[in-house]
This record gives sequence, structure tokens and C-alpha cells, in this order.
Amino acid sequence: AQTVTQSQPEMSVQEAETVTLSCTYDTSENNYYLFWYKQPPSRQMILVIRQEAYKQQNATENRFSVNFQKAAKSFSLKISDSQLGDTAMYFCAFMKLTSYDKVIFGPGTSLSVIP
Amino acid sequence: EAGVVQSPRYKIIEKKQPVAFWCNPISGHNTLYWYRQNLGQGPELLIRYENEEAVDDSQLPKDRFSAERLKGVDSTLKIQPAELGDSAVYLCASTAGYFPNTGELFFGEGSRLTVL
Repeated sequence: AQTVTQSQPEMSVQEAETVTLSCTYDTSENNYYLFWYKQPPSRQMILVIRQEAYKQQNATENRFSVNFQKAAKSFSLKISDSQLGDTAMYFCAFMKLTSYDKVIFGPGTSLSVIP
Repeated sequence: EAGVVQSPRYKIIEKKQPVAFWCNPISGHNTLYWYRQNLGQGPELLIRYENEEAVDDSQLPKDRFSAERLKGVDSTLKIQPAELGDSAVYLCASTAGYFPNTGELFFGEGSRLTVL
């Protein structure tokens, strides 16, 4: 069975600074997706960034980028130029590539951006 | 394009009472998920539908929880009778489920249940 671990329950960062959220996962699969989802307070969860395991290049989306280390089963999220609107819970998630299997979420990291 | 719609947003009931949650996925999405999210934790899958078929309900407490997805569109999740430990946010999500599937889940705003 796949598991997703996020070892940082809470983090804070000064506005305009850079922060990195950690995620590790365990799987015997070779083909899968990894995701970072953002859940702002009292708002719906949205996708931040996605990485296909077969791609060596790390995904980037504007201020958000990942460091994907397949052998180490590590998938960290870097947020550059942090903004107040980045304050949210961040969930790392895993999905097998075959048959659009269920998405497994980590326990989350609560990020606070301090003005 | 309308997103995933859930109702009610909030529900407060006493234990042993029944409760139902409704979800309307994004049009054309044939895969629908119900997740339960306890306070400060990540979502945990309850049931996954592909069209009208429940393809993964291994985590659904079947003694008190039931779900249906008639005609492969809207879905209802029911709890009867509710227990104190059922207090949580119930999230509905949908995805296209067909190639090229990006794997992205589209979530509703959730239904927050409080059992007294």
C-alpha cells in the first residue's frame, strides 16, 4: 500500500521569502503522479502543482516548484516570493498512473505567511 | 464552467440522527470521490465511483454509511445513525477519469458535519 508522509505539521515564512515543504512517500509502483494541493482556510482544495514520475524534469508553476527525487521517494514544494494568500494547508498526494486509482493524501502542513 | 457543488455546507445534528450529503460533479466527469477530512488531517477516501459503479468502497463503514450515484452523475452520501466520531468535513471530488487524465481532482467546498 502507498503512504504519504509530511513531517512538518506547521511552518511559517516571512512575506517575500522562500519556504520549502517536505514530503516523502512509499510505493512499489514505477508510474505515478505526485501532487501538491492547497486548502486555504474555509475554502476548497485546489491543485498547486503536479509531477509525473516518468519525467526527470522538475515541475514549475510560476512561484511554485518541486524537487522530485524518485530514488529517494521525496517530493518537496518550494514557494518563492511568499505572499499572504499562500497561507493555507498544503497536502502532498500520490496517485498510481494505472486505472486512475484513488489519490492518497498526506497529513498536511499548515503554512502561515507573516507580513 | 461550474465546479463541484456540495450541499449542505454545514450540518449540526444530534447523535443517532441520520444525515445526507449531496454532490454534483463537474459535467462530464465520470469519476467521483467522497473523502472524509478530520480536523487538521488529510482527506481519507470513503468511496470512489466510476460512472455509477462503486469501484472502491473498502474504507466506507458500511454498517452506518451508504452512498449512491444514480445515473452516474449526482451522488449522495448518507450516515445513519450518526456518531460523535463522524464529526468531520465530507469532501466530494471529481475527475475526468479518461485519457488523457491529468489526475487532478476538482473538489467541492465540503460539507462540515457536527454531531452533538
